[in-house]
Amino acid sequence: QSALTQPPSASGSPGQSVAISCTGTSSDVGGYNYVSWYQHHPGTVPKLMISEVNKRPSGVPDRFSGSKSGNTASLTVSGLQAEDEADYYCSSYAGSNRIVFGTGTKVTVL
Amino acid sequence: QMQLVESGGGLVEPGGSLRLSCAASGFPFSGYYMSWIRQAPGKGLEWISDISTSSYTSYADSVKGRFTISRDNAKNSLYLQMNSLRADDTALYYCARNNNYGMDVWGQGTTVTVSS
Repeated sequence: QSALTQPPSASGSPGQSVAISCTGTSSDVGGYNYVSWYQHHPGTVPKLMISEVNKRPSGVPDRFSGSKSGNTASLTVSGLQAEDEADYYCSSYAGSNRIVFGTGTKVTVL
Repeated sequence: QMQLVESGGGLVEPGGSLRLSCAASGFPFSGYYMSWIRQAPGKGLEWISDISTSSYTSYADSVKGRFTISRDNAKNSLYLQMNSLRADDTALYYCARNNNYGMDVWGQGTTVTVSS
């Protein structure tokens, strides 16, 4: 039950795009279309940004998009804004009603 | 509005026990899977336990055999009984609504500190 692998950091200038990868195995990311992405500003509650690989909950800007290829999922933030600076975590269903989170990525808006 | 409120955290000695509670409101609690997730100081999010609508339970390897998740649909409440606590269980514990394995409603969290 190892954590999914994310890059520790990513950055971009306002208006640019940044993509964050989330690599797992065929037992989690590759095996199910239940990948989620969360935005977490320190000191606040994590917020669901993407569910089921590419579904945006109501209220999430369409600048946020998700995709998956094989054992790797990705979150892309287009048109970066200052308020997008946060920690981002992926998670995946891992069978038998278990969930595994990613290691987390700190996004910096330059 | 939909809300989750955790309680029961605190300071406990290694080997001790705590019971966390999570009160739900604003949605049909019995119709949703529920989860506990924690974040240790300076670390990332870690899923630790899940309970289905029919009370099927699952646990992360790190807590299996020590923690027990349960729910009381009549009281719209979720619980986490934590036994044999260790220093590495020190964390902010969140309860969350599990909606197709996406946690779409989170509580504010309750802090558990395991220290002598």
